[in-house]
Amino acid sequence: TQLLEQSPQFLSIQEGENLTVYCNSSSVFSSLQWYRQEPGEGPVLLVTVVTGGEVKKLKRLTFQFGDARKDSSLHITAAQPGDTGLYLCAGESSGGSNYKLTFGKGTLLTVNP
Amino acid sequence: NAGVMQNPRHLVRRRGQEARLRCSPMKGHSHVYWYRQLPEEGLKFMVYLQKENIIDESGMPKERFSAEFPKEGPSILRIQQVVRGDSAAYFCASSRGTTGNTIYFGEGSWLTVV
Repeated sequence: TQLLEQSPQFLSIQEGENLTVYCNSSSVFSSLQWYRQEPGEGPVLLVTVVTGGEVKKLKRLTFQFGDARKDSSLHITAAQPGDTGLYLCAGESSGGSNYKLTFGKGTLLTVNP
Repeated sequence: NAGVMQNPRHLVRRRGQEARLRCSPMKGHSHVYWYRQLPEEGLKFMVYLQKENIIDESGMPKERFSAEFPKEGPSILRIQQVVRGDSAAYFCASSRGTTGNTIYFGEGSWLTVV
């Protein structure tokens, strides 16, 4: 069974601070996706990383896929209250069954004004 | 384009009743997936359907749960004789295909069993 461990589980910071959240596994994934979920809503896809070592930037968010495709990180620069939410990583297993995503439990981020 | 539409958004059922959750995929998407998010747990895959076919139901509980995606109309996740442990958020997702295609999630249906 593939597992994705996310850390930290909870993170509360002040506006303007930087932060990094992690997503780790002992399994190799063909791709990894990051979502943000707000209370009472569904997950919204932020980015998909596919190649080992890949780095993608989305405004103040930087996503990195580990060289071995077992881990990923999300770095937010100068966090804002609007960044508050549950950040989920999800891995797509090899073999083409990308619908059967393995999700981590998420990092609940609170950015205080 | 409208996104993945789920209804009802919130549903309260007494133990022993039936719950029916509906999902209309995004326009042009013929692949539908259901995931469940239990309190304090991550989203877990339940079932993958195409029109009139269940492709993979390996994540579905063996009893009381069923899913369909008829030729016409939305996909339906049906839970018979609900128990308190079925209380969860149920998310539907859709895509155009599988390999290399992005999966888009709906806003979820929150089931509470009292």
